[in-house]
Amino acid sequence: NAGVTQTPKFQVLKTGQSMTLQCAQDMNHEYMSWYRQDPGMGLRLIHYSVGAGITDQGEVPNGYNVSRSTTEDFPLRLLSAAPSQTSVYFCASSYGTGKETQYFGPGTRLLVL
Amino acid sequence: KNQVEQSPQSLIILEGKNCTLQCNYTVSPFSNLRWYKQDTGRGPVSLTIMTFSENTKSNGRYTATLDADTKQSSLHITASQLSDSASYICVVSAGRSQGNLIFGKGTKLSVKP
Repeated sequence: NAGVTQTPKFQVLKTGQSMTLQCAQDMNHEYMSWYRQDPGMGLRLIHYSVGAGITDQGEVPNGYNVSRSTTEDFPLRLLSAAPSQTSVYFCASSYGTGKETQYFGPGTRLLVL
Repeated sequence: KNQVEQSPQSLIILEGKNCTLQCNYTVSPFSNLRWYKQDTGRGPVSLTIMTFSENTKSNGRYTATLDADTKQSSLHITASQLSDSASYICVVSAGRSQGNLIFGKGTKLSVKP
């Protein structure tokens, strides 16, 4: 199993550009999430999904869109990038939301100029 | 407000020594408490998960304790190795939803030879 994969590993954008961060998992997990990690702060939840076709907002959803058309994929879209979105983005998945282990991807480092 | 506080912020120890990291939380309702290890430039990896009824959980040289009455947890690392250098993140689940995971800011541990 590849686990949770993310692409790209690193991206530079100009303000106003759009892009999609890809996330895929091959563990047949229902639950998937997107987090951002900034220096001096804990991981913050952007959006999450409890299954194909179902998404919900987290703590910091503004400026980001998600969709979940398949169990495996959970892309994160930045519609109009802003410097405040410079961060490291992590995708995570789990079988459930109780005591189940949450698996994280390797992260995408995004720089918005 | 649900919060997870970790101490110390950073810690330097010599290889072979033991250390203990602290986590205090004010989260309600409480579902479970997790400890993650995050190597530099990588995604977090789960070390332990404890529910209300579990007061200790081990994973190799890592031992986590939980006192649900005082709302405190600790992560004890025995006979530290250079590979233990990482950030250790305490996460408390406030319920059965990925939207309810409260992340601490982490403790950065450096193990020196």
